[in-house]
Amino acid sequence: KQEVTQIPAALSVPEGENLVLNCSFTDSAIYNLQWFRQDPGKGLTSLLLIQSSQREQTSGRLNASLDKSSGRSTLYIAASQPGDSATYLCAVRFTGGGNKLTFGTGTQLKVEL
Amino acid sequence: NAGVTQTPKFRILKIGQSMTLQCTQDMNHNYMYWYRQDPGMGLKLIYYSVGAGITDKGEVPNGYNVSRSTTEDFPLRLELAAPSQTSVYFCASSQPQLSQYEQYFGPGTRLTVT
Repeated sequence: KQEVTQIPAALSVPEGENLVLNCSFTDSAIYNLQWFRQDPGKGLTSLLLIQSSQREQTSGRLNASLDKSSGRSTLYIAASQPGDSATYLCAVRFTGGGNKLTFGTGTQLKVEL
Repeated sequence: NAGVTQTPKFRILKIGQSMTLQCTQDMNHNYMYWYRQDPGMGLKLIYYSVGAGITDKGEVPNGYNVSRSTTEDFPLRLELAAPSQTSVYFCASSQPQLSQYEQYFGPGTRLTVT
């Protein structure tokens, strides 16, 4: 079964710390992987999309990496700020899975002053 | 561009009632999707559409119906609401040729069935 897992479920860090969020998936045959941010009571905002042929993508203080062979992706956040507090979701489009995104359950991040 | 818009934002239904959740996108995307998000869970795909007149089931389609008469609109219909359909519903769209299936989401509809 194609599944996506995110550990930890929650993370609290002091402001300014660099941090890594983890995402693992059970099938290496993927089309792409997308990282989203979700604020409480809000919709999802796309942060980064990595195609299966790519190793990483960067946007500002965010860097996402992809290792298909090990079934892992990481989202690196540099110099964290209280405004980064949100839930971060990883979603995978598996090859042969049609147009479906399979989501992880998310990591709830709190950046404290 | 407004992107993906959803109405209503909130709704309370009684068991057995029916309603339609509206979704509109102004990006001329061919692909549209409906997901539901239960507390502490990831999003699960209910239905999707690859273009006007074409719809297909996702992981959890039971109790729902969809239609796609135009490129812009993709309404989701609940015919006989049940407490198990209490959830937050998200609509999304994508355009493979332009953005490699990157999906753009609406703000969601929070539905409670009592």
